[in-house]
Amino acid sequence: AQSVTQPDIHITVSEGASLELRCNYSYGATPYLFWYVQSPGQGLQLLLKYFSGDTLVQGIKGFEAEFKRSQSSFNLRKPSVHWSDAAEYFCASGSQGNLIFGKGTKLSVKP
Amino acid sequence: DAGVTQSPTHLIKTRGQQVTLRCSPISGHKSVSWYQQVLGQGPQFIFQYYEKEERGRGNFPDRFSARQFPNYSSELNVNALLLGDSALYLCASSLQDRGHNEQFFGPGTRLTVL
Repeated sequence: AQSVTQPDIHITVSEGASLELRCNYSYGATPYLFWYVQSPGQGLQLLLKYFSGDTLVQGIKGFEAEFKRSQSSFNLRKPSVHWSDAAEYFCASGSQGNLIFGKGTKLSVKP
Repeated sequence: DAGVTQSPTHLIKTRGQQVTLRCSPISGHKSVSWYQQVLGQGPQFIFQYYEKEERGRGNFPDRFSARQFPNYSSELNVNALLLGDSALYLCASSLQDRGHNEQFFGPGTRLTVL
């Protein structure tokens, strides 16, 4: 069965530091992969998506992610974190109307 | 342009009651999906509807049902509420039901079952 794993429940980084959030997927074929962000009391906002082609994907708010088939990973990165990036981040996989989400990683940002 | 809207924002029910949640998709979007997000977890897929037909169903009991109307809005119904149904219910809309298809999420309805 298809699954998405986010190994880190909570990560704290200092403002201005770099960030990497991990995501591993389990899927037979090349999956469609997504990263969403959720602020408290808000819905989910799409940061970026990967369907095919270039394995390095650029998204909104300065985020990028790299698809690595050999590692079944789709890690999210940002070179310099801002305090406003504090939120919960979800990795998801799926191609049709039913996305499979990981459990999320909560990001805290220290001043 | 308006995004996905959901109503109500918050809802408190007691065990055994029934609840109806509503979702209006982005204009032009024909597919609506419903997700349940329990506190501390990622969203779990409940249903997808496209052109008023059910296109997918997650691992939820028959107490959960949904429908889509001719204007593509949708309702999610939950009967015989249990404490474990307390969650944020998210609606997402997309242009089509498959393929390179971004889903746009609404703000959700927070359901509390006492």
